[in-house]
Amino acid sequence: DVKVTQSSRYLVKRTGEKVFLECVQDMDHENMFWYRQDPGLGLRLIYFSYDVKMKEKGDIPEGYSVSREKKERFSLILESASTNQTSMYLCATRGGYGYTFGSGTRLTVV
Amino acid sequence: DQQVKQNSPSLSVQEGRISILNCDYTNSMFDYFLWYKKYPAEGPTFLISISSIKDKNEDGRFTVFLNKSAKHLSLHIVPSQPGDSAVYFCAADDSGSARQLTFGSGTQLTVLP
Repeated sequence: DVKVTQSSRYLVKRTGEKVFLECVQDMDHENMFWYRQDPGLGLRLIYFSYDVKMKEKGDIPEGYSVSREKKERFSLILESASTNQTSMYLCATRGGYGYTFGSGTRLTVV
Repeated sequence: DQQVKQNSPSLSVQEGRISILNCDYTNSMFDYFLWYKKYPAEGPTFLISISSIKDKNEDGRFTVFLNKSAKHLSLHIVPSQPGDSAVYFCAADDSGSARQLTFGSGTQLTVLP
């Protein structure tokens, strides 16, 4: 089974901090994704990557950036965290029809 | 513009009864559909899927129905169990062009004991 590991389950950060969320997959999948989940808004795509060093903006990229230096690792960066970025962040990989998701990171910005 | 819609944010069902979760889509290029289940503080997990060439797919207590002419799919859970209480997301794939799935906003299912 594909495993997608997100480095932190819970994070609390201060407004203005630079925040790194890490995601690692153990299969050779090209496509990786970052979503945020908020009540009533479902899963919203922030960024995705289809190859090393390649990235594309999703629906809500503002305030975020990403890095993919190695195929197995896809990082989401909050350049200057704000309270409206408090959310559940989900990483996913795709090797066929569907996604495999990580366990999620619950980020609280205070 | 939402291409995949789940119009019911929540649904409550008695244990043992049928749960029916609905999903509508607008993009006729979608050719594969999936349902994911999500518990709090966990990532979504794949539940069941259906190709556009079929109208029904069954896996144990879970059945997905697809009505292409109406651009509508539904997930049936029979019989419903308290452990089924979760958020259910419908997702659609345009396998010809898109790398990403398009998700609905989710339906919170609560199964009452």
